[in-house]
Amino acid sequence: NAGVTQTPKFRVLKTGQSMTLLCAQDMNHEYMYWYRQDPGMGLRLIHYSVGEGTTAKGEVPDGYNVSRLKKQNFLLGLESAAPSQTSVYFCASTDTRLEKLFFGSGTQLSVL
Amino acid sequence: QQPVQSPQAVILREGEDAVINCSSSKALYSVHWYRQKHGEAPVFLMILLKGGEQKGHEKISASFNEKKQQSSLYLTASQLSYSGTYFCGTVSPSWVNTGGFKTIFGAGTRLFVKA
Repeated sequence: NAGVTQTPKFRVLKTGQSMTLLCAQDMNHEYMYWYRQDPGMGLRLIHYSVGEGTTAKGEVPDGYNVSRLKKQNFLLGLESAAPSQTSVYFCASTDTRLEKLFFGSGTQLSVL
Repeated sequence: QQPVQSPQAVILREGEDAVINCSSSKALYSVHWYRQKHGEAPVFLMILLKGGEQKGHEKISASFNEKKQQSSLYLTASQLSYSGTYFCGTVSPSWVNTGGFKTIFGAGTRLFVKA
C-alpha cells in the first residue's frame, strides 16, 4: 500500500519550459489537492479536485493547470515556468469523511 | 482566508510546555493540526470537529472554540522529537456545503526543543 506517490522528486527547469507533476493515490480517495510550500508562507492551495473529471481553483492557481482524468491520478501542469514557481510541491488526498490529509513526499522544483 | 498562527517560532527546553494558536476570520467546520519535520511531508496529528472539543495525542492535545473561530495546540512536557513546524488547517462550512472540501493552512509555527 503505497499511499500518495509523487513524481518526480526533483526537477530543474529553465524559464519558459513546461512540465507535468504526477500524483497517484491507491486509497480510492475522492478528494485530491496540490499545495506549494515556500519559506514563511506555509502550504498554499493551488488547485483541488472533489472527484474524477472535476477540478477547482485554490488560493494561488495562476500559472498552473490540473487534470483528473482518472480517480487515482491528479496532474499539475506548468505551461511556461517562471522563477516565481520555484517551490516545493505537495500532493494530498482524503476521503469523504475529511478525517485527515495524506501527503505525498513532495517535489522540489527549481526554475532558473 | 489563510488562518493566522501564533507564535511564529518558539524555543523550548526539554520538558517545558508550549501553546500554539490558530485563528480564522471565517466560520469553521473543522480544524486540523499537522507537524512537519525538515525535508519531509506534513504528518497528521489530530482533527477537531465540534466547538469546544478537545482531543489528545500522546502529550499533545488541542481545543477548538467554534464561536471564537480559534483553535489551540498544547504540547506538554516537550520532547526532542517534538521539534518541527506545526500547521493548522481549516475547513469552512461554506466550502463543505458547496462540496468544496478544501483545507487552508496557516503559515506555520516553528518549534525547536533543545536538551
